[in-house]
Amino acid sequence: SQTIHQWPATLVQPVGSPLSLECTVEGTSNPNLYWYRQAAGRGLQLLFYSVGIGQISSEVPQNLSASRPQDRQFILSSKKLLLSDSGFYLCAWATGPPNTEAFFGQGTRLTVV
Amino acid sequence: AQSVTQLDSQVPVFEEAPVELRCNYSSSVSVYLFWYVQYPNQGLQLLLKYLSGSTLVKGINGFEAEFNKSQTSFHLRKPSVHISDTAEYFCAVSVWGGGSQGNLIFGKGTKLSVKP
Repeated sequence: SQTIHQWPATLVQPVGSPLSLECTVEGTSNPNLYWYRQAAGRGLQLLFYSVGIGQISSEVPQNLSASRPQDRQFILSSKKLLLSDSGFYLCAWATGPPNTEAFFGQGTRLTVV
Repeated sequence: AQSVTQLDSQVPVFEEAPVELRCNYSSSVSVYLFWYVQYPNQGLQLLLKYLSGSTLVKGINGFEAEFNKSQTSFHLRKPSVHISDTAEYFCAVSVWGGGSQGNLIFGKGTKLSVKP
């Protein structure tokens, strides 16, 4: 069966420090991968998605970047964190139509102080 | 452009009472609709989905939803709620095509609070 791992679960980082969040998927190949952010009062927002190795699409301009160095690995990064980067980050993968469905990791709570 | 509107940000209800969480969507392409539940500090768990076929879909934990194309709605219902249903619920539409590859557009969520 397919599983998705995301770590760390919780992270407290100072302003200006770098960030690296990792997500890996098991049990499937060539998945579509996604990073979402959930900020207080703002719902869930898609940040990046990837349809293959090295292929990254950004949905919103921001202080973050994403990379996909391997088929089932998706990394969210920042060179210098801002206070506004605080939030709950969720990694997901999805199957395509007609039986489309998205599966989410357990999330990372990032607090920038 | 696609969008999802959840009409109620908070819904308080007593245990064993029925509940309906409302969701309206707009989409110019094929519609794939989902309801997810989120417990505090956890990821999203799929409750149910509408892809095609029967407009009444049944999901886990006794939830069901009805797809209404004319009203562009996908309301979530449960005939009798439990304390354990207290959580936040998200309605979402999945977009394939037109530059999107399964991107989920979410509503802002409805916090369901079940009181004893």
